[in-house]
Amino acid sequence: AQSVSQHNHHVILSEAASLELGCNYSYGGTVNLFWYVQYPGQHLQLLLKYFSGDPLVKGIKGFEAEFIKSKFSFNLRKPSVQWSDTAEYFCAVSPYSSASKIIFGSGTRLSIRP
Amino acid sequence: EAGVAQSPRYKIIEKRQSVAFWCNPISGHATLYWYQQILGQGPKLLIQFQNNGVVDDSQLPKDRFSAERLKGVDSTLKIQPAKLEDSAVYLCASSSFPGAGDNEQFFGPGTRLTVL
Repeated sequence: AQSVSQHNHHVILSEAASLELGCNYSYGGTVNLFWYVQYPGQHLQLLLKYFSGDPLVKGIKGFEAEFIKSKFSFNLRKPSVQWSDTAEYFCAVSPYSSASKIIFGSGTRLSIRP
Repeated sequence: EAGVAQSPRYKIIEKRQSVAFWCNPISGHATLYWYQQILGQGPKLLIQFQNNGVVDDSQLPKDRFSAERLKGVDSTLKIQPAKLEDSAVYLCASSSFPGAGDNEQFFGPGTRLTVL
């Protein structure tokens, strides 16, 4: 069965630190990949997505993610975090053969110290 | 454009009671999803509708959960009877017709259910 692993459950950083959140998935075929973010008190929203082409994807608020097919990974990065980045981050995968179905990871809670 | 609407936002019931949640997707979105998000976990798909037909309900506990989307727009999710383990946030999401590679989902604010 397809699955998504986010190994970091809770990450605590100081402002201006660099961020990398890990995401690995298990599926041998073509996939679409997503990072969703949930800010405190708000609903899930799309941060960035990869469908095809350049494996380095840029999203909103300075986030980017790199798809490494050989490692089944789609790690999220930001060079310098801000206090407003405090949120829960979910990696998700959609097998190309099931274009609608999205499987979410368990999430990583990011806390930024001001 | 208006987002996905859900109501109620919060619901507290006792076990064995019934509860229903309502979702209104983004106008024109043919696909509607219901997810269950238990505390500390990612959203888990319960059921997916394409217009008013069910595409995937493989993870819906059909002995107690039911969902419908009669006119292909609004949807309701019902739990009858509720169990303690049903305490979760129930999320509704919608997307435009999902061509391969174009399945961004837009989420509503969710309904937080507490079963006592």
